Amino acid sequence: AQKVTQAQTEISVVEKEDVTLDCVYETRDTTYYLFWYKQPPSGELVFLIRRNSFDEQNEISGRYSWNFQKSTSSFNFTITASQVVDSAVYFCALKFFPDTGNQFYFGTGTSLTVIP
Amino acid sequence: KAGVTQTPRYLIKTRGQQVTLSCSPISGHRSVSWYQQTPGQGLQFLFEYFSETQRNKGNFPGRFSGRQFSNSRSEMNVSTLELGDSALYLCASSFPSGGAGETQYFGPGTRLLVL
Repeated sequence: AQKVTQAQTEISVVEKEDVTLDCVYETRDTTYYLFWYKQPPSGELVFLIRRNSFDEQNEISGRYSWNFQKSTSSFNFTITASQVVDSAVYFCALKFFPDTGNQFYFGTGTSLTVIP
Repeated sequence: KAGVTQTPRYLIKTRGQQVTLSCSPISGHRSVSWYQQTPGQGLQFLFEYFSETQRNKGNFPGRFSGRQFSNSRSEMNVSTLELGDSALYLCASSFPSGGAGETQYFGPGTRLLVL
């Protein structure tokens, strides 16, 4: 079964603190894709990153970084020096191959509040 | 390039009515997927369309249906609305064919309230 777990329901940090959002996934497939999306209060899901199962290189994009570890089936997301604009709900998602279409399996999301 | 657009943005209906939501994908994107988001169930996959054909369907009752037109625009319909259908309905598109490795880009959603 395909499953994504985001155990942290809500996180609050003070501005400029670093914060890590956890994502653990389950799949029996060897080829799959992992994504992170941000959902601000406006509702639109904003794409942040995509990673395939054969690429375990960590990635850094500005204040954002992602740590992918197949050994622990985790794809964690770190925001460095958080800002108020980072306040949003963050979703981790899984797609597997061969798939039966373009279906995401989403985690339940982590609501991040950055306090000024 | 314009993003995914959804209309209407907000909708209020009463139980028993039906509703049609519209989604225009990013130009050139041929795969369109629909998701329902509720506080209790989170983000759930409804269905996906590609080349005017439904390619995949989530675990929703037959009251939920959709279609895709030749220009890739998509509509979803919910008949005999129930209170539990109140949700944010999100549409997403991807290029070129909706494969697993493609990124889906989401629209702003339609907030449906059923009274």
